[in-house]
Amino acid sequence: NAGVTQTPKFQVLKTGQSMTLQCAQDMNHEYMSWYRQDPGMGLRLIHYSVGAGITDQGEVPNGYNVSRSTTEDFPLRLLSAAPSQTSVYFCASSRTGHEAFFGQGTRLTVV
Amino acid sequence: TQLLEQSPQFLSIQEGENLTVYCNSSSVFSSLQWYRQEPGEGPVLLVTVVTGGEVKKLKRLTFQFGDARKDSSLHITAAQPGDTGLYLCAGSSGAGSYQLTFGKGTKLSVIP
Repeated sequence: NAGVTQTPKFQVLKTGQSMTLQCAQDMNHEYMSWYRQDPGMGLRLIHYSVGAGITDQGEVPNGYNVSRSTTEDFPLRLLSAAPSQTSVYFCASSRTGHEAFFGQGTRLTVV
Repeated sequence: TQLLEQSPQFLSIQEGENLTVYCNSSSVFSSLQWYRQEPGEGPVLLVTVVTGGEVKKLKRLTFQFGDARKDSSLHITAAQPGDTGLYLCAGSSGAGSYQLTFGKGTKLSVIP
């Protein structure tokens, strides 16, 4: 059982480049979310989804887009990467909306 | 904005000692979870508590949800080196949303 799968695990981008972080879950969970984790800041919610076709902003949504066309997938798009977006990104899913099952993370560096 | 404050931020103890980690807020949560995260990995869910005053035990770990559902504690008995990691608490506001608020974590080191 794969759970939540994130790709890539590591990525280096130049300032201004765009990219998509992939997230897929095989648990048929309705709820999915994206977090970034920075030293001293903890985990902060970027965007979340309560079902296919429904997304909403979290605490730090600027510079990121999401879509949810299927239950399984919830990609995160960086529109124009900035050094401030250097972080570790985690995707999570939930059946009930009361907890999070996390992927392994994507470590992103923007130079 | 709901905030969760964890204390202590860092904890270094000897194997066999007991410890308690606290998670406090001025806001009421519909549920609260505890996670453990190891370096290079995603957080792993340990427990969810939903009822005020609830106590849950997971082997040597005891989790308690405050009566008013604003705070929680994690107690570890006879800590082992395998307990080393970052412990995170998170609160759910419920109400059909999926916005979990995370504390900044307690970094625990258990020295053999």
